[in-house]
Amino acid sequence: AQSVTQLDSHVSVSEGTPVLLRCNYSSSYSPSLFWYVQHPNKGLQLLLKYTSAATLVKGINGFEAEFKKSETSFHLTKPSAHMSDAAEYFCVVSVRNFNKFYFGSGTKLNVKP
Amino acid sequence: EAQVTQNPRYLITVTGKKLTVTCSQNMNHEYMSWYRQDPGLGLRQIYYSMNVEVTDKGDVPEGYKVSRKEKRNFPLILESPSPNQTSLYFCASSLSRRGEQPQHFGDGTRLSIL
Repeated sequence: AQSVTQLDSHVSVSEGTPVLLRCNYSSSYSPSLFWYVQHPNKGLQLLLKYTSAATLVKGINGFEAEFKKSETSFHLTKPSAHMSDAAEYFCVVSVRNFNKFYFGSGTKLNVKP
Repeated sequence: EAQVTQNPRYLITVTGKKLTVTCSQNMNHEYMSWYRQDPGLGLRQIYYSMNVEVTDKGDVPEGYKVSRKEKRNFPLILESPSPNQTSLYFCASSLSRRGEQPQHFGDGTRLSIL
């Protein structure tokens, strides 16, 4: 079975400081992992994906995530937060050749001036 | 522009009145899916389609129907809506049914069932 746990429902950082959004997954097979961002009243936009290539994945807007199989984690980081990063972030797991995607419950990122 | 288009964006209706939310994609994607988003629960998959005339249930299919008669369209049908179906709905598509392909999402449809 596949599942995703986002460890923080809310994260608040100051502009210019690092961002860490935590995600743990459970998968019976080799997973594909994604991070999506959702701005208010908008659909979800892909930030980055891991599909069994390099374990450190770089995405858009300066975000990156590291796949750690031993820890079953896929945490999202950014060195320096920007006000425009304030949004809700979703970690998603799926399995190659399977047809379902499993979403975490989301982390709302607040960026303070 | 590559996009997934949902209509309507907002709808307030009453219990029992059939409604359809349309979804269309212009990327020739094989895989399409419907989700509902509720606070604290993330997105949950309602139905998905791997290709024309091929659909299957997701995790929360009760009270919903779908059809895939054309590759680009994947409407969501609520035959007899109830208040517990009040939610934010998203349609998504991806290039193939393989789980490693990312999804492209529409902007969402906010349904209120009174």
